[in-house]
Amino acid sequence: GAVVSQHPSWVICKSGTSVKIECRSLDFQATTMFWYRQFPKQSLMLMATSNEGSKATYEQGVEKDKFLINHASLTLSTLTVTSAHPEDSSFYICSARAGQSVGYEQYFGPGTRLTVT
Amino acid sequence: KQEVTQIPAALSVPEGENLVLNCSFTDSAIYNLQWFRQDPGKGLTSLLLIQSSQREQTSGRLNASLDKSSGRSTLYIAASQPGDSATYLCAVTGNQFYFGTGTSLTVIP
Repeated sequence: GAVVSQHPSWVICKSGTSVKIECRSLDFQATTMFWYRQFPKQSLMLMATSNEGSKATYEQGVEKDKFLINHASLTLSTLTVTSAHPEDSSFYICSARAGQSVGYEQYFGPGTRLTVT
Repeated sequence: KQEVTQIPAALSVPEGENLVLNCSFTDSAIYNLQWFRQDPGKGLTSLLLIQSSQREQTSGRLNASLDKSSGRSTLYIAASQPGDSATYLCAVTGNQFYFGTGTSLTVIP
């Protein structure tokens, strides 16, 4: 199956700093990418959807100025957590889809554990 | 809005038992349903994907069924093993991707 990677797999940063997480589709072109966050013992919550070359669409309650998403190429999307605070500590998972249609299968990355101290 | 619920939230069984995990969804207008496994602190591993036109899919000891009209899917695990211990998530694809609440499975040796 298709492979999606994330980097880094875990990161610790100090409160007030920014951190960037990369999501790459390794063997296919991802027209659409998604970012999810997961709190302990909870399911995944969709944060935003991004189509290559377009601005991301954020879910209700997600601050677009805090969680900056860039999908500049068909194989790379980045999530930047700006001015991170301890409450932003979470598990962030990206997924990628080869087409914009919902009928295309989504492939998930291994996740990035963010800890803000 | 689509709501996806999984019952039970947690399940503990002795090794060797057959078990069934349940997933229900409120809107039957779906493209497909997918079952995932998630180990603690790890990402998702796709187990089975059932297209809306299909009734079931099988992979090894796993069998997933889909009854779209009633909004239900089951994941059957035969002869459970300690290595099956994980959280199992179902997800449906409608106008977007919706995850279920998850079932935490523990298989006791």
